[in-house]
Amino acid sequence: GENVEQHPSTLSVQEGDSAVIKCTYSDSASNYFPWYKQELGKRPQLIIDIRSNVGEKKDQRIAVTLNKTAKHFSLHITETQPEDSAVYFCAASANTPLVFGKGTRLSVIA
Amino acid sequence: EPEVTQTPSHQVTQMGQEVILRCVPISNHLYFYWYRQILGQKVEFLVSFYNNEISEKSEIFDDQFSVERPDGSNFTLKIRSTKLEDSAMYFCASSEEASSYNEQFFGPGTRLTVL
Repeated sequence: GENVEQHPSTLSVQEGDSAVIKCTYSDSASNYFPWYKQELGKRPQLIIDIRSNVGEKKDQRIAVTLNKTAKHFSLHITETQPEDSAVYFCAASANTPLVFGKGTRLSVIA
Repeated sequence: EPEVTQTPSHQVTQMGQEVILRCVPISNHLYFYWYRQILGQKVEFLVSFYNNEISEKSEIFDDQFSVERPDGSNFTLKIRSTKLEDSAMYFCASSEEASSYNEQFFGPGTRLTVL
């Protein structure tokens, strides 16, 4: 089955700097790659997703890139703000069950 | 914006007891899921449900677990005889379709504590 690896497990950045989180997946049939943000004690919320037919997608300060050949995808957050502090999960899906990475705890230091 | 809701927010139970976790998916969604998240770990898939039957389940979803859609709005997860290792946050999710191109919307979760 699918296996998703996510790095780093923790990331601290200064406010205004960029943050990059990377994930790799194993199943070449996976075609949907969402990123969820989870604040402490709250539900995972989708922040951006990418389908396998595109290589990059951007939404304001957030962007995701996908390299199908290498089977990895990355989340980029620019101009980080304290409210970006949370745990970020990547996931991959070849069908319905989402397979999640272990999460990255992002701390944005003001 | 419609949201998935879950009750209770926190459930404490004794080992060996049965628990039922409840979810109300978004009204026009047809596919329902349960995930769990052990404290500090990743979110893990348990089961997906469509058209009143299980469409897929993981190794975690053994005979102690069952799901049901008892009426037109609720979707429940039952754990028959809870174990200490069942302590986790349980998330319900729903989507319009089963296609991997559709977003799954998560509920706020139920924190289950087994003593």
